Amino acid sequence: NAGVTQTPKFQVLKTGQSMTLQCAQDMNHNSMYWYRQDPGMGLRLIYYSASEGTTDKGEVPNGYNVSRLNKREFSLRLESAAPSQTSVYFCASSVNRGRADTQYFGPGTRLTVL
Amino acid sequence: SQKIEQNSEALNIQEGKTATLTCNYTNYSPAYLQWYRQDPGRGPVFLLLIRENEKEKRKERLKVTFDTTLKQSLFHITASQPADSATYLCALNNAGNMLTFGGGTRLMVKP
Repeated sequence: NAGVTQTPKFQVLKTGQSMTLQCAQDMNHNSMYWYRQDPGMGLRLIYYSASEGTTDKGEVPNGYNVSRLNKREFSLRLESAAPSQTSVYFCASSVNRGRADTQYFGPGTRLTVL
Repeated sequence: SQKIEQNSEALNIQEGKTATLTCNYTNYSPAYLQWYRQDPGRGPVFLLLIRENEKEKRKERLKVTFDTTLKQSLFHITASQPADSATYLCALNNAGNMLTFGGGTRLMVKP
């Protein structure tokens, strides 16, 4: 099992460019998440999908959109990148969203916006 | 406001000693608290989960305590090894049952 995979690993964008970060899991999990991690800020939830066909905003959704393509895949799109979106992005999955959900993380995408 | 606080300064200890990391929270009433390990350039990895009605949980050299009165969890690594060097994150569920993470504490174990 590959677990949670993310592509690309690294990306450099210019301000205003768009891109999509891809995430896939092979653990048959229902819930998937997108976080960003900045120095001193910890992990902050951008969007999540509790189950296939549903998506909801997290703590910092502005500037992002998501698509739950199927049970395995959850993508994050930046329509018009800004320098404030320079960060490390992590995708995670869990069996079900709930109080005891243990999350499994991908390796991350390091994004720099110039 | 809700806060999860972990010591942002790195914890440096000698190999063989016990490392103790602290997670304090305010304005949460978590039913569960989790600890994750994160190595540089990698995603967090789940270590332990403790429930509000559990005072202590152990797994090999790891021990977690959860004091809902003090609003604090302690994470202990006994007989620490250089391979334990990493950043350790605590996480708990908020009122909306979303997992919220602390900023993490970096542990450096010196041989």
